[in-house]
Amino acid sequence: EDQVTQSPEALRLQEGESSSLNCSYTVSGLRGLFWYRQDPGKGPEFLFTLYSAGEEKEKERLKATLTKKESFLHITAPKPEDSATYLCAVQATSGTYKYIFGTGTRLKVLA
Amino acid sequence: KAGVTQTPRYLIKTRGQQVTLSCSPISGHRSVSWYQQTPGQGLQFLFEYFSETQRNKGNFPGRFSGRQFSNSRSEMNVSTLELGDSALYLCASTLAGSDTQYFGPGTRLTVL
Repeated sequence: EDQVTQSPEALRLQEGESSSLNCSYTVSGLRGLFWYRQDPGKGPEFLFTLYSAGEEKEKERLKATLTKKESFLHITAPKPEDSATYLCAVQATSGTYKYIFGTGTRLKVLA
Repeated sequence: KAGVTQTPRYLIKTRGQQVTLSCSPISGHRSVSWYQQTPGQGLQFLFEYFSETQRNKGNFPGRFSGRQFSNSRSEMNVSTLELGDSALYLCASTLAGSDTQYFGPGTRLTVL
């Protein structure tokens, strides 16, 4: 069964303290892996799409990487405004191409 | 370019009632997907519509239904509401040929 697991569930960082969020997945074939940011009471905001192992994408303090079994979202020198829930989703090549979401990592960056 | 819009933003209903939620996708996007988000379950896929046809369906009871109009706007309907239907309902649109979904702000449904 296709599955996405994110860890940790919650993370507290001091401003400037870099860290990584993990998204491990099990799918019959990966069509794409997606990272989103969600603020409380709002819809998820698209961050990155990764398609193949070894691929990396960067945006400001965020960098997403992909292997055959997992993806990492690296946050470098985070600021309080980076506080949010980060969601990972995969889309499989087989079946119906629908997204499967993880339950997210709640990030809190303290000033 | 305007983003995905959803109306209404907030709804309060009582058990047994029915509700209709609306979603207008980004201009030019023909695929619309619906999700239910709850604290315990995360985002659960409801269904996807493309060119007025349901293309995918998640594991939800038949009380949950949807449709898409010729202008790509979509509606979802929940009949005979239950307390457990309280959730944030999210709509996402996708451009044909792309895999990336763009989400709206959601409709917060509370069932009393």
